[in-house]
Amino acid sequence: DGGITQSPKYLFRKEGQNVTLSCEQNLNHDAMYWYRQDPGQGLRLIYYSQIVNDFQKGDIAEGYSVSREKKESFPLTVTSAQKNPTAFYLCASSIQARDYGYTFGSGTRLTVV
Amino acid sequence: SQQGEEDPQALSIQEGENATMNCSYKTSINNLQWYRQNSGRGLVHLILIRSNEREKHSGRLRVTLDTSKKSSSLLITASRAADTASYFCATDPMNRDDKIIFGKGTRLHILP
Repeated sequence: DGGITQSPKYLFRKEGQNVTLSCEQNLNHDAMYWYRQDPGQGLRLIYYSQIVNDFQKGDIAEGYSVSREKKESFPLTVTSAQKNPTAFYLCASSIQARDYGYTFGSGTRLTVV
Repeated sequence: SQQGEEDPQALSIQEGENATMNCSYKTSINNLQWYRQNSGRGLVHLILIRSNEREKHSGRLRVTLDTSKKSSSLLITASRAADTASYFCATDPMNRDDKIIFGKGTRLHILP
């Protein structure tokens, strides 16, 4: 079955530590996206990539970094510069969002300990 | 850059009743989409309505779009316990290159 796989489901980060969230898709979608979800604030766009080896900042990119070396993979690193990283992180992909919308992964819940 | 805003923020209805959620937005759009999110899970795409469409149906879902009022509604008929979830509208603004913007969602609770 085609879909998006996010791992891990739960992640704990110590202060000052970088952590990487994995996102893999086998849908052959060109575009991939990372969103952050906080209670009561909906989804906010962190980074997106419309093609391999290219990505752009979204609305809240500070403290995050990404790479897109393969079409299937779009990992997100939460760096120590992100002062409030506790949130639910969602990865999505689309073949053409204008016609078909997004397919989402099941999310990673990141908690600072 | 919040574009869509759902109303109400939360809604509780009895099983079997119809549920209506509304979404208002600010700028011209290519399309508007509705998504469902069960607690602690990812979002699931429900329906997409283009700017030149006024109404669309999918099973028990009915979506309307009024571009003159910049608003949309999602109607779920004959609600079931499994419909308990958060529902988000997402707009595809004309000036944002295929990046959709999500509202804050409506939390729907179906009472047995």
